[in-house]
Amino acid sequence: NAGVTQTPKFQVLKTGQSMTLQCAQDMNHEYMSWYRQDPGMGLRLIHYSVGAGITDQGEVPNGYNVSRSTTEDFPLRLLSAAPSQTSVYFCASSLDRAEKLFFGSGTQLSVL
Amino acid sequence: EDQVTQSPEALRLQEGESSSLNCSYTVSGLRGLFWYRQDPGKGPEFLFTLYSAGEEKEKERLKATLTKKESFLHITAPKPEDSATYLCAVWWSNYQLIWGAGTKLIIKP
Repeated sequence: NAGVTQTPKFQVLKTGQSMTLQCAQDMNHEYMSWYRQDPGMGLRLIHYSVGAGITDQGEVPNGYNVSRSTTEDFPLRLLSAAPSQTSVYFCASSLDRAEKLFFGSGTQLSVL
Repeated sequence: EDQVTQSPEALRLQEGESSSLNCSYTVSGLRGLFWYRQDPGKGPEFLFTLYSAGEEKEKERLKATLTKKESFLHITAPKPEDSATYLCAVWWSNYQLIWGAGTKLIIKP
């Protein structure tokens, strides 16, 4: 089992560029989510999904879009990158939103 | 404001020196508290879930306990491989998780 797979591992963008962070899980989990992790702060929820075709905003959704067309995939799109989006991004999945989370290995994003 | 605070921010111990990490919270309607371990360059890895005051969970050298306002992660006779950042997260009544900033634990051989 691969678990939760995130790509890319590292990415450098220029201000205004767009990109998609990929996330896939092979555990048939209904719940998937995206977090950002910044130094000295707790993980902050960007967007989440409770099943295919259903997404909702988390604590810090501005500047990000998501879609969930399949159970396995939950990509995160940065529409127009800003330096404030420099962070480490984690995708996570679980059987249910109240259950333990399984995390990917993260994407370190720098926006110049 | 609902908050989760972890202390200390960093803790350096000698191998074999037992200690505790703290996670205090001010959320109302606690539904559960999670502990995770995070190694550098990796995603958090689940350790424990606690649901009610008085509950305890153990795994190897780690024991997690929960009161009405805080949780402790006790580490007994730690080894260098226990070095990591330990995160706690509180699940409260609106079905959201609030995460603490973590405690970086360093165990020196």
